[in-house]
Amino acid sequence: GDSVTQMEGPVTLSEEAFLTINCTYTATGYPSLFWYVQYPGEGLQLLLKATKADDKGSNKGFEATYRKETTSFHLEKGSVQVSDSAVYFCALSERRNTPLVFGKGTRLSVIA
Amino acid sequence: EPEVTQTPSHQVTQMGQEVILRCVPISNHLYFYWYRQILGQKVEFLVSFYNNEISEKSEIFDDQFSVERPDGSNFTLKIRSTKLEDSAMYFCASSEQGQLGTGELFFGEGSRLTVL
Repeated sequence: GDSVTQMEGPVTLSEEAFLTINCTYTATGYPSLFWYVQYPGEGLQLLLKATKADDKGSNKGFEATYRKETTSFHLEKGSVQVSDSAVYFCALSERRNTPLVFGKGTRLSVIA
Repeated sequence: EPEVTQTPSHQVTQMGQEVILRCVPISNHLYFYWYRQILGQKVEFLVSFYNNEISEKSEIFDDQFSVERPDGSNFTLKIRSTKLEDSAMYFCASSEQGQLGTGELFFGEGSRLTVL
């Protein structure tokens, strides 16, 4: 079945450091790919998404590119801030309004 | 900004007791979901609900689980006889329907269930 694997956390970075959180997936078709973020005390929020190969999703300085050849959707940010401290979840969905398949989540802590 | 709200935020119960987790989805959404995350593990799909019936469910969603939309606003998850392994964070989500919808799921903050 479909699955998502993301790098184990926690990840601790200094402010303004470069961030990469790796995510790879296994799917039978051509899924849509998502990054969700959960800030402390809040629900999961959609951070960005990409619906087809080579699409780049971006939001709040974060980017991820849908790489079909490597079945990856790595999350990157050039300069992290303390406010980026959260848990980040990679997810896929085979088609609209079908259940999301999530990874385990990666906790990011950014220190000043 | 419209949001999904869940109650309670944390519930502690004894094994074998019934638990009801409540959710108020975004008002114009038509698809509703429950997911759960056992500590340290993946967020797992439990069930989706549309047009007053279950549209999909996972293997986790056995006879001990049920969902209901008792009125126009609430969406509930009931666990009839809780087990220790039901301890988890339960997330409710909703999404728009149809071609105009983005397919994005909007999640609540979660209800943490602790079974003793």
